[in-house]
Amino acid sequence: SQTIHQWPATLVQPVGSPLSLECTVEGTSNPNLYWYRQAAGRGLQLLFYSVGIGQISSEVPQNLSASRPQDRQFILSSKKLLLSDSGFYLCAWSDGGGTREQFFGPGTRLTVL
Amino acid sequence: GNSVTQMEGPVTLSEEAFLTINCTYTATGYPSLFWYVQYPGEGLQLLLKATKADDKGSNKGFEATYRKETTSFHLEKGSVQVSDSAVYFCALSGLNSGGYQKVTFGIGTKLQVIP
Repeated sequence: SQTIHQWPATLVQPVGSPLSLECTVEGTSNPNLYWYRQAAGRGLQLLFYSVGIGQISSEVPQNLSASRPQDRQFILSSKKLLLSDSGFYLCAWSDGGGTREQFFGPGTRLTVL
Repeated sequence: GNSVTQMEGPVTLSEEAFLTINCTYTATGYPSLFWYVQYPGEGLQLLLKATKADDKGSNKGFEATYRKETTSFHLEKGSVQVSDSAVYFCALSGLNSGGYQKVTFGIGTKLQVIP
């Protein structure tokens, strides 16, 4: 069966520090991968998606970047965090063949102080 | 573009009450429809889905019917429990202009069930 991991689970970082969040998927190959942010009391905002290694699309301009160095690894990064980057970050995957539903990781709670 | 509209809540119900959370959508073509549930501090879990008109998705006592004529996918449960307290997201999946599958989420409805 497929599983998706995210780490760390929680993170507290000062403004201006770098960020690296990691997501890995097991039990599937060539998945579509997604990064979402969920701000407190708000819905999900799609940040990035990837349909293959090295292929990243950004949905909104922002202070963050994403990379996919391996088929089942998706990394969210920032060089300098802003207060507004605080939130709950969710990684998700879907079957590249088109079964359409997305499966979510447990999330990372990021607090920027 | 595609969009999903659902009540923001919070919705507060007593245990064993009947639940309805409304969801309507706008989409081109024939999207798949989903309900996801998010328990406090966790990621989203797929609750149920429907892939074509008149399909009924069901799971854990929850159900929703894909109504193309009214572009709706309302979530219902006959008797809620305290353990159902969570945020519920309606979502649709369709192809965007770039040809990849995109899921569009509603804002989420917080449900609180009191004993």
